[in-house]
Amino acid sequence: DQQVKQNSPSLSVQEGRISILNCDYTNSMFDYFLWYKKYPAEGPTFLISISSIKDKNEDGRFTVFLNKSAKHLSLHIVPSQPGDSAVYFCAPVTGANSKLTFGKGITLSVRP
Amino acid sequence: NAGVMQNPRHLVRRRGQEARLRCSPMKGHSHVYWYRQLPEEGLKFMVYLQKENIIDESGMPKERFSAEFPKEGPSILRIQQVVRGDSAAYFCASSPSRDRYNEQFFGPGTRLTVL
Repeated sequence: DQQVKQNSPSLSVQEGRISILNCDYTNSMFDYFLWYKKYPAEGPTFLISISSIKDKNEDGRFTVFLNKSAKHLSLHIVPSQPGDSAVYFCAPVTGANSKLTFGKGITLSVRP
Repeated sequence: NAGVMQNPRHLVRRRGQEARLRCSPMKGHSHVYWYRQLPEEGLKFMVYLQKENIIDESGMPKERFSAEFPKEGPSILRIQQVVRGDSAAYFCASSPSRDRYNEQFFGPGTRLTVL
């Protein structure tokens, strides 16, 4: 039972263009969402978050959009840089103990 | 300020042996989460601990797996009688509280290979 779906396993974009990474969820109780970035052989690092009371949160080149009615999030990276090449995970925070529910991740490759 | 430390980074065990994975949280953090990442999968929650207490172990397999976070020293994830299906990357994360708006900081992971 996958509560968080990142259906596109990989994405390749040209440097300088926009990267759009999508995430769908099924649990309507999720109300706080995180994006993590992961390089090979390293742990995930926090990138950006959004609360369900908002529909957009922006931090530099990174913007996350939330459509609650569609249970859909998207992470926009613009302009994309080669250093952005990594695996990106969508991770809602669940329950009183704040455990994270991760999607399978999207591998982003930014071509120079 | 050192980040979350995990050791060993790589661990090889034969079927039936025991695996012990250690996690030292960031300074000042008393909340630890363990996650497991199987090949081609996302990270899956296993257990949440505070100092000397297991708070939520709903993601832990019922047998062979245990976790502790003693008053002194690192948190330990212990896997007894390992099987090939235990081969995975095990990550711990620490946080200053269980508040959902506090970031969980992840360690580099321990990659367990069971032969």
